[in-house]
Amino acid sequence: DSGVTQTPKHLITATGQRVTLRCSPRSGDLSVYWYQQSLDQGLQFLIQYYNGEERAKGNILERFSAQQFPDLHSELNLSSLELGDSALYFCASSFTDRGLNGYTFGSGTRLTVV
Amino acid sequence: AQKVTQAQTEISVVEKEDVTLDCVYETRDTTYYLFWYKQPPSGELVFLIRRNSFDEQNEISGRYSWNFQKSTSSFNFTITASQVVDSAVYFCALSEAGRNFNKFYFGSGTKLNVKP
Repeated sequence: DSGVTQTPKHLITATGQRVTLRCSPRSGDLSVYWYQQSLDQGLQFLIQYYNGEERAKGNILERFSAQQFPDLHSELNLSSLELGDSALYFCASSFTDRGLNGYTFGSGTRLTVV
Repeated sequence: AQKVTQAQTEISVVEKEDVTLDCVYETRDTTYYLFWYKQPPSGELVFLIRRNSFDEQNEISGRYSWNFQKSTSSFNFTITASQVVDSAVYFCALSEAGRNFNKFYFGSGTKLNVKP
């Protein structure tokens, strides 16, 4: 157990729907990062939050949004889902706002859009 | 531009063979960090090692060893006496200390199959 908790582990939904993925960082970590792992794009950085504030954005679609709450858990919201959004979504956390010491990854949420 | 290349898409070896996974990176930063992660069939990403750009000392941890060479921008990973449990996808990643310090650039991964 890495200490980073992601729920749900699996999610199957239809195109056009909206889902929310949840991440609880490791105790004491202030930064949360979201990554998408798809077959064609590999592991892609989506977005980072540090202590409640957005810190960096990567290849995140406008249909996707995220936030970090006062208790430091984070949610990734995916809307108007398309088949191509099917992927493994990872959350990672670190103590500082820099990932230079390495992240701790959660076990991922596997999203299947049908 | 930042880029991590893992040219080996898939490697198959027989148990007890040694295997080296290649990683070549590109960055304009003088200070950067390199990582290896393991993704077993269960899907989670497991941290293996972190290396600073200013520390070229090779590292050995049990059956695992890493060879970092700045001159060739490579950070290769060797598993000695491979075991079936080593079967996984291995990712090399780069993180920069400069403007993009807060995200990793991952290679496309190398799938290692260790057969009994």
